[in-house]
Amino acid sequence: EDQVTQSPEALRLQEGESSSLNCSYTVSGLRGLFWYRQDPGKGPEFLFTLYSAGEEKEKERLKATLTKKESFLHITAPKPEDSATYLCAVNSGGYQKVTFGTGTKLQVIP
Amino acid sequence: DSGVTQTPKHLITATGQRVTLRCSPRSGDLSVYWYQQSLDQGLQFLIQYYNGEERAKGNILERFSAQQFPDLHSELNLSSLELGDSALYFCASSVGPGTAVYGYTFGSGTRLTVV
Repeated sequence: EDQVTQSPEALRLQEGESSSLNCSYTVSGLRGLFWYRQDPGKGPEFLFTLYSAGEEKEKERLKATLTKKESFLHITAPKPEDSATYLCAVNSGGYQKVTFGTGTKLQVIP
Repeated sequence: DSGVTQTPKHLITATGQRVTLRCSPRSGDLSVYWYQQSLDQGLQFLIQYYNGEERAKGNILERFSAQQFPDLHSELNLSSLELGDSALYFCASSVGPGTAVYGYTFGSGTRLTVV
């Protein structure tokens, strides 16, 4: 069974203080690893898909990277509007379903 | 607005009752997915429909059922409700039948409270 573990559970940063969120996964044949952002009271919003080790994707202050066992979401010089819960999810070969982690709740303080 | 519409936004009901949650996918999307999100738990996949047919099943209880209609909207029926069924229920959609390489588009969810 696919497993996704995200750390830390919560992270508090000062505005401009860069950091990384971690997503460790165990799957039998990775087909894709996804990052989503979820604001309070809203549904998750898709950010990135990564397919193979060594791949990187960027969007504004966010950069996602992938190794064979984990993925990192790097946040450079965050702003208060980056405050949200960031979810990692995986899909493995032969399955239609996507397994989500429990997320990292990020708070960026002005 | 993501383009995925879920109704109602909030629902409060008593134990033992039955409720129906509704989802209209984003225009052009043929797949609908239902997820349950409880406190301290990640999104749990319940079921997927593609163009009216059940495509994949996750951890869906026997008390729960779903269907997708010809106009592609979907309904999730929850019966014999228990306190533990209180959660956020999300619907997501994607264009094709397989796992969306461009991600899913989620609705804003229905918050179900069972009292």
